[in-house]
Amino acid sequence: DIVMTQSPDSLAVSLGERATINCKSSQRISSSSNNENYLAWYQQKPGQPPKLLIYWASTRESGVPDRFSGSGSGTDFTLTISSLQAEDVAVYSCQQYYATPITFGQGTRLDI
Amino acid sequence: QLQLQESGPGLVKPSETLSLTCTVSGGSIISSSYNWAWLRQPPGKGLEWLGSIFHSGTTYHNPSLRSRLSISVDTSNNQFSFRLSSVTAADTAIYYCANHPTGFPNWFGPWGQGTLVTVSS
Repeated sequence: DIVMTQSPDSLAVSLGERATINCKSSQRISSSSNNENYLAWYQQKPGQPPKLLIYWASTRESGVPDRFSGSGSGTDFTLTISSLQAEDVAVYSCQQYYATPITFGQGTRLDI
Repeated sequence: QLQLQESGPGLVKPSETLSLTCTVSGGSIISSSYNWAWLRQPPGKGLEWLGSIFHSGTTYHNPSLRSRLSISVDTSNNQFSFRLSSVTAADTAIYYCANHPTGFPNWFGPWGQGTLVTVSS
């Protein structure tokens, strides 16, 4: 199985500041045939299901604010929130879909 | 807009079979545009993909569940279902159904609200 490891486990960022969450896969999750990285990011607020933010490592889902961005390739990926808003308090998880079984990171808790 | 809603018992006894149903609205369960999945999240832990079923009826399971899992589609009610046999306390979790786009493996969205299932005698 591909193991997804996020860092840090939790972080606190001031309103308006940048938040950065890292995700590392135990093997490459990028394809040389299509130059795509098989990584998605989710936001999960308390008592709610996960919400898809980003797929293909950097493509924002429709309706997701542009302060959210994804980057990285190969085994190392980053989710960046450029200017933290109060409503961004949540747990953020990465997921690889390069191979089955599909696996997720352990989650990163983001607070103000 | 596609919406999903899980239903099923909140409490299951050890060694019994857990059965859940996901009702889909805003789209057809047999549409070639959609595939369907079950995932879970134990309290305070990360997400785990359990299995997926395609519009064709093909299924994929997480090997960690071995042969305990079955997923099926009920086209007449626009639902898909999940059965997990021989449950233990380790199967206590919030269970989610979700859609994922054509192509597999893939990302997930949208998700149902989730239903908490506790395994206890």
